[in-house]
Amino acid sequence: AQSVAQPEDQVNVAEGNPLTVKCTYSVSGNPYLFWYVQYPNRGLQFLLKYITGDNLVKGSYGFEAEFNKSQTSFHLKKPSALVSDSALYFCAVREMGSTLGRLYFGRGTQLTVWP
Amino acid sequence: NAGVTQTPKFQVLKTGQSMTLQCAQDMNHNSMYWYRQDPGMGLRLIYYSASEGTTDKGEVPNGYNVSRLNKREFSLRLESAAPSQTSVYFCASSEFETSGIYEQYFGPGTRLTVT
Repeated sequence: AQSVAQPEDQVNVAEGNPLTVKCTYSVSGNPYLFWYVQYPNRGLQFLLKYITGDNLVKGSYGFEAEFNKSQTSFHLKKPSALVSDSALYFCAVREMGSTLGRLYFGRGTQLTVWP
Repeated sequence: NAGVTQTPKFQVLKTGQSMTLQCAQDMNHNSMYWYRQDPGMGLRLIYYSASEGTTDKGEVPNGYNVSRLNKREFSLRLESAAPSQTSVYFCASSEFETSGIYEQYFGPGTRLTVT
């Protein structure tokens, strides 16, 4: 079975500091991995995805994520956090070759960036 | 280009009542999805439609039915609402995955309360 774990419900960071939001996954084959962001009372917005190739993936709004196959992780990072980055972040996975459209989401991590 | 639209934005139902949540997309996407979001549980897939004319069950289909009316529209119906169906419902769409792995685009959500 496919699953995603986001071990931290909340991450707090000061503006200007680097941020990391953690994600680990479990699939029996090769994964496709995604990060989405949700601002209050809005739908999810796509940030970035890993399909294959370079382990460091760059996405929207200055975010990047590092795929680590040996640690089955896909942590979201940003070198310098902004107050406007405060939102709910979701990691999602699906397995290569699995049924079309079946994304499995983590429970979400609330990121708060204080001034 | 409105993206993915959902109606209504808010709804309160009494137990046993029925209703249909509407979703439409103007991005010419083949695949459409319905999710529910509950606190601390992330998003869970209810039903999806890989292409016009097909629908399949997701993780939590019980109590719901769907209709892929045409390529643009994908509706979700609650035949007899229960308090356990109190949730925020999101519709999403994406390109058809046999031609690649594409991100999903989400609507703004419908907040449903069943009393």
